Amino acid sequence: KAGVTQTPRYLIKTRGQQVTLSCSPISGHRSVSWYQQTPGQGLQFLFEYFSETQRNKGNFPGRFSGRQFSNSRSEMNVSTLELGDSALYLCASSLAGMGSGELFFGEGSRLTVL
Amino acid sequence: AQSVTQLDSQVPVFEEAPVELRCNYSSSVSVYLFWYVQYPNQGLQLLLKYLSGSTLVESINGFEAEFNKSQTSFHLRKPSVHISDTAEYFCAVSESSSNTGKLIFGQGTTLQVKP
Repeated sequence: KAGVTQTPRYLIKTRGQQVTLSCSPISGHRSVSWYQQTPGQGLQFLFEYFSETQRNKGNFPGRFSGRQFSNSRSEMNVSTLELGDSALYLCASSLAGMGSGELFFGEGSRLTVL
Repeated sequence: AQSVTQLDSQVPVFEEAPVELRCNYSSSVSVYLFWYVQYPNQGLQLLLKYLSGSTLVESINGFEAEFNKSQTSFHLRKPSVHISDTAEYFCAVSESSSNTGKLIFGQGTTLQVKP
């Protein structure tokens, strides 16, 4: 069974640009969550999508957005990039959120903003 | 709201020695508790979880954690560590009544196993 796949794995952008990251969940999983990991702030919840609807949202500015498609694949977008957006962005999937007891994480997309 | 505090940012230990990674949480509601492990340049992997029932939970690779409600703790232990256990360990909580994929993580503890 294939795991959670995130693309691209690494990318470099400059300030002011925008970026789109993609996440393909484990087959059959309907919940996709996104997390930002930085050395200073640690792991922070961005948002969660379930059946194409945003079900929960963390405390991030509106520059961070996401969506989920009918096949459960998800994308997140960051507009007007800032230096502080440099981070590892992790996607996690589960059957239906924490009720199933476990999130399965991808290896992440490492974004560097210059 | 919930919060998680991992009391040690780094824990150096010699191979075959015992180790304890400490985790305390704060929450006004009932929670699920998790330990995740992250190896270099990889995502997070679930190590073990407490949802309900026995307060002592074990993983397949020798780690165990005990849920202590009165002390609001979920410390991770292993009686004898291996070099391959070197990694970063994250304690996390989620609301047990909330069926969502939102986890609140601690800041992480780097376990460095020395030969």
